[in-house]
Amino acid sequence: QQQVKQSPQSLIVQKGGISIINCAYENTAFDYFPWYQQFPGKGPALLIAIRPDVSEKKEGRFTISFNKSAKQFSLHIMDSQPGDSATYFCAASPGGGADGLTFGKGTHLIIQP
Amino acid sequence: GAGVSQSPSNKVTEKGKDVELRCDPISGHTALYWYRQSLGQGLEFLIYFQGNSAPDKSGLPSDRFSAERTGGSVSTLTIQRTQQEDSAVYLCASSLGGGQPQHFGDGTRLSIL
Repeated sequence: QQQVKQSPQSLIVQKGGISIINCAYENTAFDYFPWYQQFPGKGPALLIAIRPDVSEKKEGRFTISFNKSAKQFSLHIMDSQPGDSATYFCAASPGGGADGLTFGKGTHLIIQP
Repeated sequence: GAGVSQSPSNKVTEKGKDVELRCDPISGHTALYWYRQSLGQGLEFLIYFQGNSAPDKSGLPSDRFSAERTGGSVSTLTIQRTQQEDSAVYLCASSLGGGQPQHFGDGTRLSIL
């Protein structure tokens, strides 16, 4: 059972455009939703995270939108840059984030100059 | 060091051999997590430690996998009688606990011949 579904698998965006990645979850016990960025040969690096008490969180060019009733959350990257080209993973965890993370399958993002 | 340190960075071994993977968490981090990343299965949670105890071992794929943490710091993940399907990148993460963000190392790439 895939508990976190992520789409699209791959995404190509022009420089300066908006990149949007979506995730949906099934487990209503999840209460912590981080996004990670991963470059080849490196471990995932935390970008931004949200908890269900807010519907949106913004940090610089990165925004998470969260819809608790639909059990969906998304990452928006504004003014996308070639340096943003990487694989992005959404994740979810119960226990306020203290427990292990359940990851989506990842989105390979390419920003074309 | 400043980040999570994992060793070795690469390990090649023959099927049937035992392997030990090491993780040095960020200093002061009480929680430690092991994940596995493979092309077929994506990022999977294996086990986590709070201090020296492991409240959640639910992700360990078989009884050939075990992990320990002593002194509340370094952790080792041991795989006995390795199989080809164990080939993957094994990632370690640490956090301050209590739902604080998990920070990942760059992993150990394990190849079983």
